[in-house]
Amino acid sequence: DTEVTQTPKHLVMGMTNKKSLKCEQHMGHRAMYWYKQKAKKPPELMFVYSYEKLSINESVPSRFSPECPNSSLLNLHLHALQPEDSALYLCASSRDRGPGELFFGEGSRLTVL
Amino acid sequence: GENVEQHPSTLSVQEGDSAVIKCTYSDSASNYFPWYKQELGKGPQLIIDIRSNVGEKKDQRIAVTLNKTAKHFSLHITETQPEDSAVYFCAAHYKAAGNKLTFGGGTRVLVKP
Repeated sequence: DTEVTQTPKHLVMGMTNKKSLKCEQHMGHRAMYWYKQKAKKPPELMFVYSYEKLSINESVPSRFSPECPNSSLLNLHLHALQPEDSALYLCASSRDRGPGELFFGEGSRLTVL
Repeated sequence: GENVEQHPSTLSVQEGDSAVIKCTYSDSASNYFPWYKQELGKGPQLIIDIRSNVGEKKDQRIAVTLNKTAKHFSLHITETQPEDSAVYFCAAHYKAAGNKLTFGGGTRVLVKP
């Protein structure tokens, strides 16, 4: 199994809503990542978890709250988002944080109204 | 921090011709250089990578070259096919920045039949 599964694929939310994005991998990877991708731009790193501990937060606003309940799961909790937060949110995993392949999910496309 | 420049931003080639994408990086400590292909509606997928102790690597129609002195690396696709149409991202892994991958701006490749 070489898949990273993200749900939901599409999400529309108002600025006062609370929602969550979910990511799952069963490759035994110990590093998991959240990226944000705007149209026609490269993925932009948000958070990195290594062995279930947050190791990098790229100065992301607190309205985005990551969570890593176990080594296979990664969540991104969303609250009080702004329209400019509309983007494709990509989850990725890798064996560890060293140089090596990132396995990306297909992303969750978020629209904030 | 690391900065990765990628050119061209768009590339149109006739089926069967070759395509070349070039990237430059800023930090000589970068040690791993992957290339990702992103098709419409999907997450990026690794197509080839090269480490700093290697000058060239080939996988069927795809090759990557690395010039550490000049701090640039290139992707070469030969005998292009319509299914090669996608956005390609180069990236550089920089250990000192917390083991982070920095992406180039992307190249949209269109292979015309």
